[in-house]
Amino acid sequence: GENVEQHPSTLSVQEGDSAVIKCTYSDSASNYFPWYKQELGKRPQLIIDIRSNVGEKKDQRIAVTLNKTAKHFSLHITETQPEDSAVYFCAASIPNTGNQFYFGTGTSLTVIP
Amino acid sequence: DAGVIQSPRHEVTEMGQEVTLRCKPISGHDYLFWYRQTMMRGLELLIYFNNNVPIDDSGMPEDRFSAKMPNASFSTLKIQPSEPRDSAVYFCASSGTGSQPQHFGDGTRLSIL
Repeated sequence: GENVEQHPSTLSVQEGDSAVIKCTYSDSASNYFPWYKQELGKRPQLIIDIRSNVGEKKDQRIAVTLNKTAKHFSLHITETQPEDSAVYFCAASIPNTGNQFYFGTGTSLTVIP
Repeated sequence: DAGVIQSPRHEVTEMGQEVTLRCKPISGHDYLFWYRQTMMRGLELLIYFNNNVPIDDSGMPEDRFSAKMPNASFSTLKIQPSEPRDSAVYFCASSGTGSQPQHFGDGTRLSIL
């Protein structure tokens, strides 16, 4: 099955700086890569996703890049704010496998005011 | 759209008791997933259904755990008998077909004393 590795496990940045979280996947058949944000005590919420036919996607301060050759994808958050503090999970999905997500182990992001 | 609805939000019970967690997926979604989240093990997929049929239950930790989906709008996860190591947050998620995002419920925080 698919194996998704996520780094770093913890990340602290100053408010206004950028944050980058990286994930690698093992199965080249994976074609859908969502990112979830989970605030303390809350449910994981989708913040952005990318499909394998696209190299980059942006939504305001958030962007995701995908390198299919190297089998890695990254989340970029610019101009970080304290409310960006949360745990972020990446995931990969292989087509025709029931939309099962293979999640990374999460990155705890702290934005220091 | 009411989102995925889980009940109860919190459950505290004594070891040995039966626990039943409930989930109502988003209308029209044909996939339903049960996850368990702990600090030690992260987000684990327990079982998922497609059109009310269990597809993969390889994540169910042992025979004490069972899940059903009697119709498209309701699923249960049952633990009998419960043990302290079952204490965790249990999430239900649902999605449409074909590499679609999973939408999570608010979770059930389960404590077994």
